[in-house]
Amino acid sequence: EAGVAQSPRYKIIEKRQSVAFWCNPISGHATLYWYQQILGQGPKLLIQFQNNGVVDDSQLPKDRFSAERLKGVDSTLKIQPAKLEDSAVYLCASSLVLAFEQFFGPGTRLTVL
Amino acid sequence: DQQVKQNSPSLSVQEGRISILNCDYTNSMFDYFLWYKKYPAEGPTFLISISSIKDKNEDGRFTVFLNKSAKHLSLHIVPSQPGDSAVYFCAASYRDDKIIFGKGTRLHILP
Repeated sequence: EAGVAQSPRYKIIEKRQSVAFWCNPISGHATLYWYQQILGQGPKLLIQFQNNGVVDDSQLPKDRFSAERLKGVDSTLKIQPAKLEDSAVYLCASSLVLAFEQFFGPGTRLTVL
Repeated sequence: DQQVKQNSPSLSVQEGRISILNCDYTNSMFDYFLWYKKYPAEGPTFLISISSIKDKNEDGRFTVFLNKSAKHLSLHIVPSQPGDSAVYFCAASYRDDKIIFGKGTRLHILP
């Protein structure tokens, strides 16, 4: 069974630039999550999708972050414009049944200069 | 407001000995507690869970203990092996909703 795929693995941008991350969850997993993990912290949920509908985006800074999940499969997370404090690892995860048994991708490490 | 707290940023344990990782929580409504393990450059992987109605769950070398009155849980690894060196995240869930993670504890297994 293929795991959660994410790309790119690393990205370096200047502040005020835009960036997008892509996630392909495990086949058949209806729920998809995007997390932000700042160095020294645990993952923090940004947004949760159930199929292609948003379940929870209460922690998503909507003035600069957006996410979509077209056709209930792949998802993209965008930051526009980026700030220095957005430097973090962005993790995508998916789950089949139980929310706490999530399968994580390797993450995208974003550095904003 | 940190609902899940891991107060030890790091822990070093001799190979073959017991590793004990601790976690405290504040929200009494949590009904599942979890441990995730993370290697560098990889995403976290689910390790073990415990329901709030239990006080112990065991899976091979890994045992999680829950003390609800103290709002405390711990992960025991016996015996510790070199491959156990990783960051361990304690997490909690309410009504199978989103997971709230602690900051993690880096475990070093010494030869």
